[in-house]
Amino acid sequence: AAGVIQSPRHLIKEKRETATLKCYPIPRHDTVYWYQQGPGQDPQFLISFYEKMQSDKGSIPDRFSAQQFSDYHSELNMSSLELGDSALYFCASSYPLGEQFFGPGTRLTVL
Amino acid sequence: GQQVMQIPQYQHVQEGEDFTTYCNSSTTLSNIQWYKQRPGGHPVFLIQLVKSGEVKKQKRLTFQFGEAKKNSSLHITATQTTDVGTYFCAGRSNTGNQFYFGTGTSLTVIP
Repeated sequence: AAGVIQSPRHLIKEKRETATLKCYPIPRHDTVYWYQQGPGQDPQFLISFYEKMQSDKGSIPDRFSAQQFSDYHSELNMSSLELGDSALYFCASSYPLGEQFFGPGTRLTVL
Repeated sequence: GQQVMQIPQYQHVQEGEDFTTYCNSSTTLSNIQWYKQRPGGHPVFLIQLVKSGEVKKQKRLTFQFGEAKKNSSLHITATQTTDVGTYFCAGRSNTGNQFYFGTGTSLTVIP
């Protein structure tokens, strides 16, 4: 069965650079979530989309933005990267109010 | 803001012993989901509870949702080494499509 795809799996950036993370949800799932998980931490909700429209915003910094495209894939854009942005970034998809299927995550390292 | 706490943070048990993790929200939840994350992996959905006082069982796992829909618990009977991982609850807010993950309980099972 198809799963959530995230790319890249690993990303290394310098401070103040930008990064774009991509997420391809499970086909026919209409809700996408983005989470940030620091080492030893719980996943922190960043933002969610329902039917390509932003539905909720969590603790997403102003330096980050996200969107969902017509083919339902989503991108998380991160600018002016800081050391503290180093984390695992998960994307999850679901039907409305249903279980979330998580992707394998993108490990971002900011040097 | 919304907070979801879990206790204990860490638990070491001998194989065959029981294990319980408790999840407490500062506000009433619409529903609650439980996830398991193995080291180096991504969260994997276990169950969703929706109704006040709901109890669900999956083999050796028993999940409960409190009457006030502010707390939940996961109980594992006769733990096995395959139960090792971090267990997260994730509460869905009453006012939107965002999930607040608990702080997680890391379970170690000693053979």
